[in-house]
Parts: sequence; structure tokens; C-alpha cells
Amino acid sequence: AQRVTQPEKLLSVFKGAPVELKCNYSYSGSPELFWYVQYSRQRLQLLLRHISRESIKGFTADLNKGETSFHLKKPFAQEEDSAMYYCALNSFGNEKLTFGTGTRLTIIP
Amino acid sequence: EADIYQTPRYLVIGTGKKITLECSQTMGHDKMYWYQQDPGMELHLIHYSYGVNSTEKGDLSSESTVSRIRTEHFPLTLESARPSHTSQYLCASAPGQGANTEAFFGQGTRLTVV
Repeated sequence: AQRVTQPEKLLSVFKGAPVELKCNYSYSGSPELFWYVQYSRQRLQLLLRHISRESIKGFTADLNKGETSFHLKKPFAQEEDSAMYYCALNSFGNEKLTFGTGTRLTIIP
Repeated sequence: EADIYQTPRYLVIGTGKKITLECSQTMGHDKMYWYQQDPGMELHLIHYSYGVNSTEKGDLSSESTVSRIRTEHFPLTLESARPSHTSQYLCASAPGQGANTEAFFGQGTRLTVV
């Protein structure tokens, strides 16, 4: 069974400080990992996926297979980063897109 | 415009009523999903589909049922609504090519059963 864990339900960070949202997963096969974001009154949308290895809005995430982690990081938080962030896992074969419990990030001005 | 649509946006209904939440996408995606989002904002997969005539149950046990008769349409039905079904329901779709494709979400249906 595949599982995604986000240990922090709430995270508050001062503007300009570094941000790290934690995500751990369990899956026996080769997973595909994603971060999705939901801004206030907007739809849930893709932020980034590990296969792209890109930085989106200053955020990056590295897949660490040894630690089964896919933490989301940004060196300098901005007020517009306040949102709900979800880590998600998909897998070849069953294509069951599973989400973590989400972390509400609040940036303090 | 290619998009994914959910109707209704809000629904208040009495206990015991049968309801259908509609989800349609005009993106030609093979994969579609239904999620239940609880007040704490956790997302639970309740149903998904690989394509026409395929439906699978998700991780969260649900009394709802789904059908996929057409590629673009993935309705969710509750035969007899109960207060425990009160929640936000999100529909999503994704291209059928591989597991690393982006999922697109609808605006959601907020269901209240009284």
C-alpha cells in the first residue's frame, strides 16, 4: 500500500525566512512524487513534480529514496506563499494518486 | 475552453435523499478521480477511473458509487444521504500517459446533509 505523511498540519514562518515542508512516503515500487498547492478560494493545483527537477515560485523539492522523503523548500518566504500544501504520490501500474494530510503554511509579515 | 467542471458548487439536502454530484472535463483525459476533503483539509481518495467502463475504489471507504460511461463524465452518486456525508468533494482528471502527469482539479462541491 502507498502512503504519504506530512507531519506538520500547521507551519508559520516569518517573511524572508527559509521554509521547509516535510513529506515522507511509503511505497514498495518506484513512485512519482508531487507537491500541490491550494491558495485561498482557488482550486488545488500542481506546484511541482520531482521528475521535472525544476524550481517553481522559488520552491524546490528533492526526492531522497534512501529516506523516502520529498521535502519542499524555499530559501526566502514571501507573503503570497501562504496556502495549503499537499504532497502526493502516484505509481506506475495502479495510477492511484494519493495525497498527504496537507500542511497549512502561514507567512508572518 | 478546456476545463473540469463540478456541479452543483453547493448543495444542502435532507437525510435519505438520493443525490448525484456531477463532474465533467473537456480535456480528453483518461484518468479521473473523486476526493473527499474533510474540515481539517485532508484529502481522501474515494474513487478513481482509468477510462471508460473502469472504476476503482480509493483508500477511504465510501458509500458512494461512480460510473464512467463516457470519457468526459464521472458522476458520483449517494443513494441515501446522511449527515456523515457532509463534506467537500473534489473531482480531478489527468492524462492517461504515465504516472507523472499533472492532475487538474475542479472547484469542488460542498455538500451539507441535514
